[in-house]
Amino acid sequence: DTAVSQTPKYLVTQMGNDKSIKCEQNLGHDTMYWYKQDSKKFLKIMFSYNNKELIINETVPNRFSPKSPDKAHLNLHINSLELGDSAVYFCASSRLAGTYEQYFGPGTRLTVT
Amino acid sequence: AQTVTQSQPEMSVQEAETVTLSCTYDTSENNYYLFWYKQPPSRQMILVIRQEAYKQQNATENRFSVNFQKAAKSFSLKISDSQLGDTAMYFCAFILPGAGSYQLTFGKGTKLSVIP
Repeated sequence: DTAVSQTPKYLVTQMGNDKSIKCEQNLGHDTMYWYKQDSKKFLKIMFSYNNKELIINETVPNRFSPKSPDKAHLNLHINSLELGDSAVYFCASSRLAGTYEQYFGPGTRLTVT
Repeated sequence: AQTVTQSQPEMSVQEAETVTLSCTYDTSENNYYLFWYKQPPSRQMILVIRQEAYKQQNATENRFSVNFQKAAKSFSLKISDSQLGDTAMYFCAFILPGAGSYQLTFGKGTKLSVIP
């Protein structure tokens, strides 16, 4: 009965590779997000997406792309991985109403070597 | 741009004591929501408490309470009867519903250690 799940939890890969992180939520939420947490623990939004609109943080390289096959899933694809992409990536979801609380997945620790 | 400032990178508290974590934010908007999230060593982000800016009453969740001072743009978190399981990073965050993206803007966090 996990609310927001991510796979894999750990990902180790080499520079130049392409990888994907999957995210699924079973909360019936209409909006999903990807956040990046750097080595200093700072969290920053990368994307927010609902069935109407994708909003991209302008600082995110275009090597990163979210793909949503349906309302319950928002996957993150990363092309040509770089050392600086090493971080923890969190998926989250919320309703666009009420108190706008966001619920987070367990995070994926990506290490690029 | 909206910003959130947590001025205490690290804090410690004795078990069973009370500790207050500071947070200030900057926005020119009037309608927003504030949150405290906890991130224990397990890495999971856990919502601790929320506050609607239009509500004057401070939010409370069991041992956690906030002191929301809207005019001062301050949103501190008080943890009473601290427990070892409260050891974690604590992040203050807010959302501007009218901004379109509904993204959380986070502070840099406060690392809290509860000492036995």
